[in-house]
Amino acid sequence: GDSVTQMEGPVTLSEEAFLTINCTYTATGYPSLFWYVQYPGEGLQLLLKATKADDKGSNKGFEATYRKETTSFHLEKGSVQVSDSAVYFCALSITNTGNQFYFGTGTSLTVIP
Amino acid sequence: ETGVTQTPRHLVMGMTNKKSLKCEQHLGHNAMYWYKQSAKKPLELMFVYSLEERVENNSVPSRFSPECPNSSHLFLHLHTLQPEDSALYLCASSQDVSGGLGYTFGSGTRLTVV
Repeated sequence: GDSVTQMEGPVTLSEEAFLTINCTYTATGYPSLFWYVQYPGEGLQLLLKATKADDKGSNKGFEATYRKETTSFHLEKGSVQVSDSAVYFCALSITNTGNQFYFGTGTSLTVIP
Repeated sequence: ETGVTQTPRHLVMGMTNKKSLKCEQHLGHNAMYWYKQSAKKPLELMFVYSLEERVENNSVPSRFSPECPNSSHLFLHLHTLQPEDSALYLCASSQDVSGGLGYTFGSGTRLTVV
């Protein structure tokens, strides 16, 4: 069935380090892909999205490229900040009837000064 | 006011109480959702409403009762809850039930059952 698998955390990085959070998907249709971020005590916020193969979503220095050949949507940032400490969720939506939205389990990131 | 607003932000209730969570969106979206987020567990989809009609109920206990009086408002009525129901309850909305443009989430209600 349709699903999203993301790397388990927690991830701890020093400030200005390079970040990669892996996300792979399984989909029967043509999914749109998303990254959401949840800061402590808050709900989930849409960070970036890509709706078709080879699209690159970007926001706040984060990037992810929709790779159909590897069924992946890895999140990257070149230089993380303490304020990036949060939980990151990969998600996919299948364009179809009914509710076809799937979240990964979340990856906790802590950035230390 | 824009976005998805949830009230209250925090709620402490006894197991015999009855309370309600409220969610409101001013985005013109046609689909609304309730999710439960417990510590160290994946997000759990509870209910889905499309154009005020419930389209999904993921085996949620009857002590949780949703209500969607119109496309802008969603409630979750709670009664005789258990301590294991303590969690962050998130409301979300989307343009339509396919969610192809993504979901917009509220900040959640932190529920503690004592």
